[in-house]
Amino acid sequence: GESVGLHLPTLSVQEGDNSIINCAYSNSASDYFIWYKQESGKGPQFIIDIRSNMDKRQGQRVTVLLNKTVKHLSLQIAATQPGDSAVYFCAEASFSGGYNKLIFGAGTRLAVHP
Amino acid sequence: GAGVSQSPRYKVAKRGQDVALRCDPISGHVSLFWYQQALGQGPEFLTYFQNEAQLDKSGLPSDRFFAERPEGSVSTLKIQRTQQEDSAVYLCASSPRTKSRDRDATNEKLFFGSGTQLSVL
Repeated sequence: GESVGLHLPTLSVQEGDNSIINCAYSNSASDYFIWYKQESGKGPQFIIDIRSNMDKRQGQRVTVLLNKTVKHLSLQIAATQPGDSAVYFCAEASFSGGYNKLIFGAGTRLAVHP
Repeated sequence: GAGVSQSPRYKVAKRGQDVALRCDPISGHVSLFWYQQALGQGPEFLTYFQNEAQLDKSGLPSDRFFAERPEGSVSTLKIQRTQQEDSAVYLCASSPRTKSRDRDATNEKLFFGSGTQLSVL
């Protein structure tokens, strides 16, 4: 099947290093943000989310940071593993939109090298 | 199965043909979404159902696109008179969320299927 993200920006890291993937969102009214991981031939998989009343949220090996002033979102992955290789998308939603419609960013390909 | 199931996995159509793409959401999930993902891009919203009601179809690119969910479970996305620009991966997602304006946005977690890759020749 076709590979997602043939023309996406790529972040290359060594196994065991920390990865930081950045995203700029567009809508000032967005108040809910999600990071998804998409492997080739699969649908997006939820990683972590954050609401606009927070600026940091941690999960297992992942941390999301939100800077509303500059409309910037980042995903930090600790001790990156080969299984983390995928395309990562940020998505935004708003209460005014009923949280029904996610707006996805362009995506970043993460390549983890042994 | 436990996840969202989509069929067919791949579909090749000649320009002008009609196609129908099927989505089986996770059992009991109230909300169902269709997204279109062009090569190298993020998914784009097409339409949203809550049970059998289509509450938002603002993302459907033209009147050639039609979606239905008659019994509030399985959904079908139909594309009439396919064009080359319709070539994309069509993703279905479901969510257990019951209220469209529920402020508890953590219910927003969408579970995506693997998609149907449509190629229009």
